[in-house]
Amino acid sequence: DTEVTQTPKHLVMGMTNKKSLKCEQHMGHRAMYWYKQKAKKPPELMFVYSYEKLSINESVPSRFSPECPNSSLLNLHLHALQPEDSALYLCASSQFGLADYEQYFGPGTRLTVT
Amino acid sequence: QQPVQSPQAVILREGEDAVINCSSSKALYSVHWYRQKHGEAPVFLMILLKGGEQKGHDKISASFNEKKQQSSLYLTASQLSYSGTYFCGTAVHKAAGNKLTFGGGTRVLVKP
Repeated sequence: DTEVTQTPKHLVMGMTNKKSLKCEQHMGHRAMYWYKQKAKKPPELMFVYSYEKLSINESVPSRFSPECPNSSLLNLHLHALQPEDSALYLCASSQFGLADYEQYFGPGTRLTVT
Repeated sequence: QQPVQSPQAVILREGEDAVINCSSSKALYSVHWYRQKHGEAPVFLMILLKGGEQKGHDKISASFNEKKQQSSLYLTASQLSYSGTYFCGTAVHKAAGNKLTFGGGTRVLVKP
């Protein structure tokens, strides 16, 4: 099973709301990632977790708060977002956090901030 | 720094070949290739590691020229299913958390 699942599929939120995105994988992968993708642009790395510890934060604003409760789950907590944060948020995982390993992407959560 | 992909777009007839290039200004450890269809997640195609190894997957193959810091993806005898946007992702260090920087993408449309 090479599946990464993400919920919800779509999310509309106001600028004062708090919401969370969820990502799950059952492949035993020890590295998990959050990417942001705007229309017709490549994915941009936001965060990397390796062995449930945050290893990379690409200078993401604090209104995005990642969490890795266990090796299978990755959350992205959202608070006080701006309309420019509207995008497709992709989760990915790889066996290890090394550049020899392919990343498997989930279908994404399409976020609209109003 | 983002790798540069060329061309930005290509239109093919079924059965034709195409080459997509990915160039970096930095020394690379690995190059990853993905294909993303509209409204879907990127799907992994292949990884090329430092060492210039050429890889293949069905009629899609790729090479990595370490000296030029350039990778090329070859679409041979293209099929309708090859349509999508192709991204290269580059990593400069093996142990840098598998941090990939993606190129701008190449849109491929295969027509019957």
